[in-house]
Amino acid sequence: AQKVTQAQTEISVVEKEDVTLDCVYETRDTTYYLFWYKQPPSGELVFLIRRNSFDEQNEISGRYSWNFQKSTSSFNFTITASQVVDSAVYFCALSNTNAGKSTFGDGTTLTVKP
Amino acid sequence: GAVVSQHPSRVICKSGTSVKIECRSLDFQATTMFWYRQFPKQSLMLMATSNEGSKATYEQGVEKDKFLINHASLTLSTLTVTSAHPEDSSFYICSARPRGTNEQYFGPGTRLTVT
Repeated sequence: AQKVTQAQTEISVVEKEDVTLDCVYETRDTTYYLFWYKQPPSGELVFLIRRNSFDEQNEISGRYSWNFQKSTSSFNFTITASQVVDSAVYFCALSNTNAGKSTFGDGTTLTVKP
Repeated sequence: GAVVSQHPSRVICKSGTSVKIECRSLDFQATTMFWYRQFPKQSLMLMATSNEGSKATYEQGVEKDKFLINHASLTLSTLTVTSAHPEDSSFYICSARPRGTNEQYFGPGTRLTVT
């Protein structure tokens, strides 16, 4: 069985602060994919990143960065210099490469205050 | 590329009626589509996996006779909520997996309200 845990239910920061969203996963598969999605109030899921289990390189995309560590089964997401527009619910998800279906964490609601 | 659409985006229906939601892959063929449901302030929960030309596979606890899924072509899957009740009110999101890949692309979701 697959499981994704996002321990932080809600986070509130002030604009320009850095914030890290935690994600811990469980799977018995050796090959899998990890994802982060942003869900603004409109509801549409916005894809942020996809990482396969063989690629542990950290990634940076603008103000976003991801830290994937298989040793701790974690795939944390950091927003640098947060902005009000970053306010949303962020989901971490795990996908089995064969079946393809995704297991989502409960989400972290990020509020960035001006 | 890799766009998935859903129609309608919002629907309000009366209790006891049926509602059909369409999920289309606009620029690729999707051998597999997934249907998720999201209740307010909750996570996405997989309802069923739909493979083109075969019966859908439902997750435990999801009534297949209530949530009818038809994957009639490589670009279209439909979810019909039959005899809808207020507790079926939710955000329904589909995703599509292109043929021969492990990618997955999500649709924008359909918000169903049953009065």
